[in-house]
Amino acid sequence: QKEVEQNSGPLSVPEGAIASLNCTYSDRVSQSFFWYRQYSGKSPELIMSIYSNGDKEDGRFTAQLNKASQYVSLLIRDSQPSDSATYLCAVVGDYKLSFGAGTTVTVRA
Amino acid sequence: DVKVTQSSRYLVKRTGEKVFLECVQDMDHENMFWYRQDPGLGLRLIYFSYDVKMKEKGDIPEGYSVSREKKERFSLILESASTNQTSMYLCASSLSIPSGYGYTFGSGTRLTVV
Repeated sequence: QKEVEQNSGPLSVPEGAIASLNCTYSDRVSQSFFWYRQYSGKSPELIMSIYSNGDKEDGRFTAQLNKASQYVSLLIRDSQPSDSATYLCAVVGDYKLSFGAGTTVTVRA
Repeated sequence: DVKVTQSSRYLVKRTGEKVFLECVQDMDHENMFWYRQDPGLGLRLIYFSYDVKMKEKGDIPEGYSVSREKKERFSLILESASTNQTSMYLCASSLSIPSGYGYTFGSGTRLTVV
């Protein structure tokens, strides 16, 4: 079983809609969770971090964490063409981050 | 902001060559990492280091070695480059792990081995 699994893509959403990205992880003791955005040909950039159960909002992004279910998600509200990218879920464990394979989001105008 | 600098954006090397990829960070981070990223395979950890002269194997260390003689610099070495090492190589650094800081990535080196 992979340590971090993300919902398979690609995900295509119309401009202005909500994009919903999901991630599950296997290590129950993980305490820190991150979402990275990666544009094609570029390196990943950190967009959200979350450590406690519940929701964390930052602009149009909302991260949600449920440690009991070992589940973390990212919602992108009012999706814009500039949100078209691959989103990577990352979980701290064993002195390093484990990354999911990523979900590619395309926002169509 | 933390800056992680990778010495080359694009490299083309010949099979059998010894290849050095350099990474420098400017924020006194303890931890540094080397990943490769391939389509469909995601980010795979090659090696990481949590202190000067310390190194730990990641998930795919075969064919690679690393060097960390100074805190700010972490080098990845391909002992004898092969075509299956053609990939995007990403360096990252972090203040501490486990932590809430996440990683900061360099801009990547796209290596082609011919």
